Amino acid sequence: AQKVTQAQTEISVVEKEDVTLDCVYETRDTTYYLFWYKQPPSGELVFLIRRNSFDEQNEISGRYSWNFQKSTSSFNFTITASQVVDSAVYFCALSEVGGATNKLIFGTGTLLAVQP
Amino acid sequence: SAVISQKPSRDICQRGTSLTIQCQVDSQVTMMFWYRQQPGQSLTLIATANQGSEATYESGFVIDKFPISRPNLTFSTLTVSNMSPEDSSIYLCSVDPIGGGRSGYTFGSGTRLTVV
Repeated sequence: AQKVTQAQTEISVVEKEDVTLDCVYETRDTTYYLFWYKQPPSGELVFLIRRNSFDEQNEISGRYSWNFQKSTSSFNFTITASQVVDSAVYFCALSEVGGATNKLIFGTGTLLAVQP
Repeated sequence: SAVISQKPSRDICQRGTSLTIQCQVDSQVTMMFWYRQQPGQSLTLIATANQGSEATYESGFVIDKFPISRPNLTFSTLTVSNMSPEDSSIYLCSVDPIGGGRSGYTFGSGTRLTVV
């Protein structure tokens, strides 16, 4: 069965600090997708990144970076020089490829509070 | 990526009544997904809706409580039946990435339901 674990329930940092959000996943599939979503207080889900299981290259997008390690089944997300606008709940998610439904399974989320 | 129009955006309903939530997608999609997000919680998949067949429900969700319609490839409805205060949640519809690549699942803006 697929499972996504985000052990950090809440993180509080001061603006300009770097912060890493952890994500560990479980799947028996050899091919799958991993995602990160941001949910600000307004409630909408904002797509941040999708990573294919066969692509282990790390990725950087502005202040955001992602570290994908299949050996440890982890897909961690780092925000560099955090800003107050980064305050949100962040969800890591997993979907299988080519399955019956391609459903997306979410982790429990990490609430990030960035203090000014 | 697809654009989803979901309505209503919010509603306050009386215990014992039913509410139907609609999602309209701007392109044809094979599968649509319905999620529930209880207050302060993560997203939980209710069911997957394929056009022309019965929806597939996740463990803990039943058709009598959450009937789903999928009359065509761009539209779906979720009904929350015989509501109780425990049904107070945000309900979201979603579609999987169109065209593959590095896109994410697209989500509607959500329906914030309060049952009194």
